[in-house]
Amino acid sequence: DAKTTQPPSMDCAEGRAANLPCNHSTISGNEYVYWYRQIHSQGPQYIIHGLKNNETNEMASLIITEDRKSSTLILPHATLRDTAVYYCIVELTGGGNKLTFGTGTQLKVEL
Amino acid sequence: GAVVSQHPSWVICKSGTSVKIECRSLDFQATTMFWYRQFPKQSLMLMATSNEGSKATYEQGVEKDKFLINHASLTLSTLTVTSAHPEDSSFYICSAQSSGRVYEQYFGPGTRLTVT
Repeated sequence: DAKTTQPPSMDCAEGRAANLPCNHSTISGNEYVYWYRQIHSQGPQYIIHGLKNNETNEMASLIITEDRKSSTLILPHATLRDTAVYYCIVELTGGGNKLTFGTGTQLKVEL
Repeated sequence: GAVVSQHPSWVICKSGTSVKIECRSLDFQATTMFWYRQFPKQSLMLMATSNEGSKATYEQGVEKDKFLINHASLTLSTLTVTSAHPEDSSFYICSAQSSGRVYEQYFGPGTRLTVT
């Protein structure tokens, strides 16, 4: 069973921030929150990950609530190329850890 | 960033034949590789985990005699679909994990298999 819950779809206007929520109420203390995305008919792409602190990289920001039961992926200035399925995954980290993909959120960025 | 390639990108084969898919890490050594399968409009389903030089670990419900996985080197893993049937038609994706960056998996572009 998936450990995360995400809305099935979201729309966002190009240039605006896209905020993608994820619920992971059963997360354990040593599990990380990962975000990947999959553009149609391509392999998934790593975006960002975090444990409990907020994280930012060149692609996105990850905001994790203090109780760690939910998080939000923020794409600050969405473009048409950000249209994809976004997967929030909760897993242990370390060598050989497999990822369990849920159904994800289909983000559609429009003009 | 790290690059993972897959070959072929697509293949059509007849029912009963076998198909081999290659997954290569081009600029890093992959201690662990994963194989996923994705049916249309569905999410990725993990099939197996392979570590270089050892036998693959298959997920529940995946037939190890049908989906043969070989991870002979730190840059190459192969998936062979034996005696393929139309229900094996799917998008097969591999990923690789570097020992130096264990929090990130690098995915290949996928292989579209169609069995007629």
